[in-house]
Amino acid sequence: QVQLQESGPGLVKPSQTLSLTCTVSGGSISSGGYYWSWIRQHPEKGLECIGYIYYSGSTYYNPSLKSRVTISVDTSKNQFSLKLSSVTAADTAVYYCARGRTYYAPWGQGTLVTVSS
Amino acid sequence: EIVLTQSPGTLSLSPGERATLSCRATQSVSGSYLAWYQQKPGQAPRLLIYGASSRATGIPDRFSGSGSGTDFTLTISRLEPEDFAVYYCQQYGSSPPWTFGQGTKVEIK
Repeated sequence: QVQLQESGPGLVKPSQTLSLTCTVSGGSISSGGYYWSWIRQHPEKGLECIGYIYYSGSTYYNPSLKSRVTISVDTSKNQFSLKLSSVTAADTAVYYCARGRTYYAPWGQGTLVTVSS
Repeated sequence: EIVLTQSPGTLSLSPGERATLSCRATQSVSGSYLAWYQQKPGQAPRLLIYGASSRATGIPDRFSGSGSGTDFTLTISRLEPEDFAVYYCQQYGSSPPWTFGQGTKVEIK
């Protein structure tokens, strides 16, 4: 079955760019008509949808983050990526990648990203 | 943006008991496009229910969802030891961004 795995730095300095990659295994990112999403979970604020991408490159971003977010896809590597610029402590969260555009299944295991100098 | 409020915050029950979790929306969720997830410590959320009442693949039939409009319910008919976890509802019925509830923790009494 399809599995997802996030990777990237666990510590990012304030004002820098957070970069994460999600590797999809057990299926092709460009088949099945699926969208691929990023979701984050703050300790205090709960779960927040960041955005999603289709294998063609079509994207949607949460308006609250739109000015700072870029999601891209690399079908040759079966990966999709998240970049979040100008981070602050408020961006400290567990970041998940997941399959789906409306509801999400499956999810990656998540990766904690801490924003601190 | 639709705000989802889950109640109660914590539910203390014993194995074998019935659990009833509520999710209330600030406006009607079109198409009953509501999902439920289970999250255990250190793990990602797992999809249980979508479309308010459809069980996801591999989910036991002791989990059931119901509701429409602004009021939705997740019922666990008989709690198994592995069911003690945090449960979230999520709506995807209007324009994105989709939103999640704040969660209900089901703990062992």
